[in-house]
Amino acid sequence: AQSVTQLDSHVSVSEGTPVLLRCNYSSSYSPSLFWYVQHPNKGLQLLLKYTSAATLVKGINGFEAEFKKSETSFHLTKPSAHMSDAAEYFCVLLPNQAGTALIFGKGTTLSVSS
Amino acid sequence: KAGVTQTPRYLIKTRGQQVTLSCSPISGHRSVSWYQQTPGQGLQFLFEYFSETQRNKGNFPGRFSGRQFSNSRSEMNVSTLELGDSALYLCASSLGRGGTQYFGPGTRLTVL
Repeated sequence: AQSVTQLDSHVSVSEGTPVLLRCNYSSSYSPSLFWYVQHPNKGLQLLLKYTSAATLVKGINGFEAEFKKSETSFHLTKPSAHMSDAAEYFCVLLPNQAGTALIFGKGTTLSVSS
Repeated sequence: KAGVTQTPRYLIKTRGQQVTLSCSPISGHRSVSWYQQTPGQGLQFLFEYFSETQRNKGNFPGRFSGRQFSNSRSEMNVSTLELGDSALYLCASSLGRGGTQYFGPGTRLTVL
C-alpha cells in the first residue's frame, strides 16, 4: 500500500533557526516525492520534487530535502527560518504506476516566532 | 505563463442543490486532476482527466462528476449537495499523465 506519514502535525521555530519537517513514505514502486506549501486561504505551491535523479533536492526559498531509500524518508529542511515561512506543508507521493493520483500526508503546520 | 485558474473562488449553496466548478489549466497542460480538502479528511483525490476522458477516479460517490473539454479546461459537478461536501476544491494540471502537478487557488464551497 502507498502512504505518506508526516511525523509532526505542528512545528514551532524561532526566526533564524533551522527548520526540519519530517516525512516517511511507503511505496511498492520507486515513487516521485514532493513537498508543497499552503499559505492560509491559498492553493498549494510546489516547493521541490524528487523524481529518481539526485537524492538531495533543492527547492525554492532555500528549502531542500533528501531522499533516503533505506529509511523511506524525505525530510524537508531549511537552514534559517523566516517569518514568511509560516504555513502548512504537505509531503506528497506519486506512486509512479498506472495511477496518477497524488497521495498526501496530513500536513505539518510551521509556526515561526520573532 | 499564467497559472491554473479556478472559478468561482467562493460559493455558498444549500443542501440538495447542485454546483459546477471550473478549472483552466496552465497553457499546454493536458491533464487535470481534482482534489477535495477538508479539515477532517485532509486532501483526497477526486478524479483525473486527460484528453477529455476520465482516466482515474477516487473513492467518492457518483454525485461527484466531471468533464474535460477539447481545450483541456475542466469542470466538476456535485449534485444533491450535502453538508459534508463543504470543502476547498483544488484543481491541478500537469503536462501529461504522471507529471508534476501545479495547483490552482481553489474554490471554497460552503453548503448550508
